[in-house]
Amino acid sequence: AQTVTQSQPEMSVQEAETVTLSCTYDTSESDYYLFWYKQPPSRQMILVIRQEAYKQQNATENRFSVNFQKAAKSFSLKISDSQLGDAAMYFCAYRSARGVLNNDMRFGAGTRLTVKP
Amino acid sequence: NAGVTQTPKFQVLKTGQSMTLQCAQDMNHNSMYWYRQDPGMGLRLIYYSASEGTTDKGEVPNGYNVSRLNKREFSLRLESAAPSQTSVYFCASSEVRYPQPQHFGDGTRLSIL
Repeated sequence: AQTVTQSQPEMSVQEAETVTLSCTYDTSESDYYLFWYKQPPSRQMILVIRQEAYKQQNATENRFSVNFQKAAKSFSLKISDSQLGDAAMYFCAYRSARGVLNNDMRFGAGTRLTVKP
Repeated sequence: NAGVTQTPKFQVLKTGQSMTLQCAQDMNHNSMYWYRQDPGMGLRLIYYSASEGTTDKGEVPNGYNVSRLNKREFSLRLESAAPSQTSVYFCASSEVRYPQPQHFGDGTRLSIL
């Protein structure tokens, strides 16, 4: 079964600086999707960014970008110009692209990000 | 713009009581999911429904049942609640077209004494 590992339970960053959150995953599949979700104290799960494994180009969404290393099975999230509103739990997630397995999204344990003013 | 709506938001039960968590989505999605979130463990899939009329077990289905009432609604039932089921429960929905992400409800915090 696929597993997702986030090795940093907590991270902190100074406002306006850059922080990188790590994620690694284990899979034998070649076609899959990776996501980063943000969960603020309100408990909502908010999609931050997504990456298709067949794409070599790293995804970017405004201040958020990923470093996708397929061979290393690594999918890190970089947050540039950090803002106070970025403080949240961040979850990395894996989703197979194959058939019925596509319905099964595997999440990491999360990284709690604190932003210091 | 309701998206995915879960009720209730909070609930306290006694061991052995039964309870149904309700979920409805207004995005016309085919697939719906129930997750539980425990500290230090991320979200784990309990059950999912790929389409109306079908349900399948996820990673942690024991102690739960589900019903896909129609395309909009997907309920989760605890027949005899146990303290180990104390958790935050999330419902989600998505389209089956790749790589559509899952849209989540706001969660239900369930405590079982």
